[in-house]
Amino acid sequence: AQSVTQLGSHVSVSEGALVLLRCNYSSSVPPYLFWYVQYPNQGLQLLLKYTSAATLVKGINGFEAEFKKSETSFHLTKPSAHMSDAAEYFCAVTTLGGYQKVTFGIGTKLQVIP
Amino acid sequence: NAGVTQTPKFQVLKTGQSMTLQCAQDMNHNSMYWYRQDPGMGLRLIYYSASEGTTDKGEVPNGYNVSRLNKREFSLRLESAAPSQTSVYFCASSWDSSSYNEQFFGPGTRLTVL
Repeated sequence: AQSVTQLGSHVSVSEGALVLLRCNYSSSVPPYLFWYVQYPNQGLQLLLKYTSAATLVKGINGFEAEFKKSETSFHLTKPSAHMSDAAEYFCAVTTLGGYQKVTFGIGTKLQVIP
Repeated sequence: NAGVTQTPKFQVLKTGQSMTLQCAQDMNHNSMYWYRQDPGMGLRLIYYSASEGTTDKGEVPNGYNVSRLNKREFSLRLESAAPSQTSVYFCASSWDSSSYNEQFFGPGTRLTVL
């Protein structure tokens, strides 16, 4: 079985500050990990994904995430928050083999304070 | 290239009414999915279609039916709507059902059942 835990359903940062959104996963086999972003009244779109090629993954809009097997984590970071980063962020996990059963976290709403 | 489109955008139903949510993709994807999004619960898979001609239940299929009409279109039907089906519904597609493939999401349908 696989699962995802996102710590903090709401995170507030000041404009220009570091963004850190936490994601821990549980999987009995090597995982594939994704971060999706959802802007208000829109569908989800992919920020970045980990598929075992490299542990540090760079995505769109200056975001990156590091896969740490020992900590079962895949935290999302951005050095400097911008107002346009205000959105809801979802961590998701799938595993090798079979159909694409994606397990999503409950989401973290990021508020950026001017 | 419209990506994934969904109709309608909003719908209000009375308990017991039926309706069909439409989804179409123009990316020549093989796999399509229906999710529901509820506050504090992330996205949950209702049904998916790994390829044209096949459909399978996801995590929360009760009260829903689906039809993969052709490669482009995947519809979700509520036969007798209940207030518990008030939610935001997202359709998604991917190149195929391999675990490492990202999913592309539509803008969603906001359904209220009174």
